[in-house]
Amino acid sequence: EVQVVESGGDLVKPGRSLRLSCIGSGVTFGDHYISWFRQAPGKGLEWVGFIRIKAYGATTSYGASVKGRFSISRDDSKGIAYLQMDSLQIEDTGIYYCMMAVINTTLAYWGQGTPVTVSS
Amino acid sequence: EIVLTQSPATLSLSPGERATLSCRASQSVSSYLAWYRQKPGQAPRLLIYDASNRATGIPARFSGSGSGADFTLTISSLEPEDSAVYYCQQRGNWPWTFGQGTKVEIK
Repeated sequence: EVQVVESGGDLVKPGRSLRLSCIGSGVTFGDHYISWFRQAPGKGLEWVGFIRIKAYGATTSYGASVKGRFSISRDDSKGIAYLQMDSLQIEDTGIYYCMMAVINTTLAYWGQGTPVTVSS
Repeated sequence: EIVLTQSPATLSLSPGERATLSCRASQSVSSYLAWYRQKPGQAPRLLIYDASNRATGIPARFSGSGSGADFTLTISSLEPEDSAVYYCQQRGNWPWTFGQGTKVEIK
């Protein structure tokens, strides 16, 4: 069974940093793109960013609202990916989801999410 | 950025009725479209991937069709637990985007 588990969500003040983790199991972690999405309270789903597999250079892309503040990395040997969030803003509040994406299809596996609250 | 427009915004139907949800893309995404169901307080759950393939464990009453820019999710016979928000997502072009959702209410 494929499992995706996020952790690290917390209450933080504006301007501070936070690192979220995403652990995947049940499939070969290194064969999957890892993407992060978020959902603000009462809103829809917003793409945050993703990281490609190592064979494609493990390159990253980010949404416009987080570019330059957030970064994604991966450690395939441990089956874990990270979302480093710096200079957090109130608008970054929401549930953050990790998605393991199978390449060349829209098949994907999602975690249950981890909550991030940015408030003074 | 590809914009996905879902219609209707809200669908109110009785158990046993057929639900038809639409997702239209601002440009072709080939068959790189997925459908998700999200219930309050829960993560999105994959229903359909690659436009027409049911994900593991998804009942046969859910079906997807379409390609290019027009897609449909059909629930052949609604059950009370189908009350949720349904989203389409494209992965044909970066950035990956979601539609705004269709809320399905069971009378």
